[in-house]
Parts: sequence; C-alpha cells; structure tokens
Amino acid sequence: EPEVTQTPSHQVTQMGQEVILRCVPISNHLYFYWYRQILGQKVEFLVSFYNNEISEKSEIFDDQFSVERPDGSNFTLKIRSTKLEDSAMYFCASSERGGQYGYTFGSGTRLTVV
Amino acid sequence: DQQVKQNSPSLSVQEGRISILNCDYTNSMFDYFLWYKKYPAEGPTFLISISSIKDKNEDGRFTVFLNKSAKHLSLHIVPSQPGDSAVYFCAASTRTGANSKLTFGKGITLSVRP
Repeated sequence: EPEVTQTPSHQVTQMGQEVILRCVPISNHLYFYWYRQILGQKVEFLVSFYNNEISEKSEIFDDQFSVERPDGSNFTLKIRSTKLEDSAMYFCASSERGGQYGYTFGSGTRLTVV
Repeated sequence: DQQVKQNSPSLSVQEGRISILNCDYTNSMFDYFLWYKKYPAEGPTFLISISSIKDKNEDGRFTVFLNKSAKHLSLHIVPSQPGDSAVYFCAASTRTGANSKLTFGKGITLSVRP
C-alpha cells in the first residue's frame, strides 16, 4: 500500500537553529499538508499546498516557517529559527482529492528543541 | 479554538461489545466529518468519513452517525477487538477543495479489554 514517508523520525536541535523536515508524499497525490501535535494536545493544521503554492496556512505558520516542493517528489517544511515551543510531532500528509476525502499521513518527525 | 470537541478522554470496553465514540462540533460550515485512528509512534490513519448530506455511513465494523441539528457525530465499532485499542480523532472539513484543511478534536483513547 502506498505510504507517505517522513525523515528523520526524530530530530534534536538547538534553539535558534534551522531545521528542515522532509516528506515524500504518495506519487499521484496532488494536495500536501503539514500538521503538528504538541505533546498532549490536538493535531493542528499548519499549511496546505497545491499546484506548487500554499493554498492556506494557519496562524501558527508564521514567517519562521516555509514549505517547498523542490523536485516534484519531496515536500519539505523549514523552520528558520527554532524556538522551544516548536517542539512537537510534525506530520506530513497527502491527498488525491482534498482533505475531506481523507488524507494519508506519514509517521511523523518528532522535533525536540533544546 | 474548540470547533471540534471530544469531551471524553478515554473509553474502555470489553472485547466483542460495542464501542461508541462521540464528537461534537460548533462550526456549521463543516461539510465533511472524518474519523482517524492513531497508534503510538505512527501517523493518524483514515478510518471513515461522512458527508453532511448523510446521517449514516457504514464500513465493515465501523459506522459513523451524524446528527446535524445537534452538531454531533459518533463512531460505532461493533464488535470491538483488542487491535482497536488506539487514539481516535474526530476531524471536520469544509468543502473548499484545495483549502480543505482538517480541524481535529483532542482525541479519545479507546482500550478494548480481552
């Protein structure tokens, strides 16, 4: 069964450093998303991406965040200057027809900012 | 921002019995409702969805019921199996194509006792 692949599974970084979280969505999917889950809290929407541009972003997705689909297969989330409160599980997801039909999520990257 | 609420944090049921997981929402613009299951160290897995024009959708052991007037939905699992033990998230989406982000509830931990 096709799956969404995320790397690394765990990333530890120092506060103020840049991190790039990587995702390989399912190949025929057109819609891409990043969500995050802070420990003990709900899964929160960060950004959606379609047709090579951001289609929607949340209040969390400020100027420190950016997304890119550099080569038609990878989908990356960059955090420019990490803060302690960025520590969370980050999930990439993709969908063939849009979120209301159900996404396929990756296993997540646990980001720990120290 | 509690547009999707899962008020019970946990539920424990005996194997073979019915599990009923409840979810309430406040945003009347939501058009699709979805249930996801999540095991530890994995991403959420899509289970079943329902459009707001329906009141019931069934897929094997899983049935989702929607009561639009009460802004309430529920997931029934019959019969419950130990492998169903996981965190279940209710999510909702508006019909906006590429902008169809999901708004999640906090999740409910289901434990199915053998």
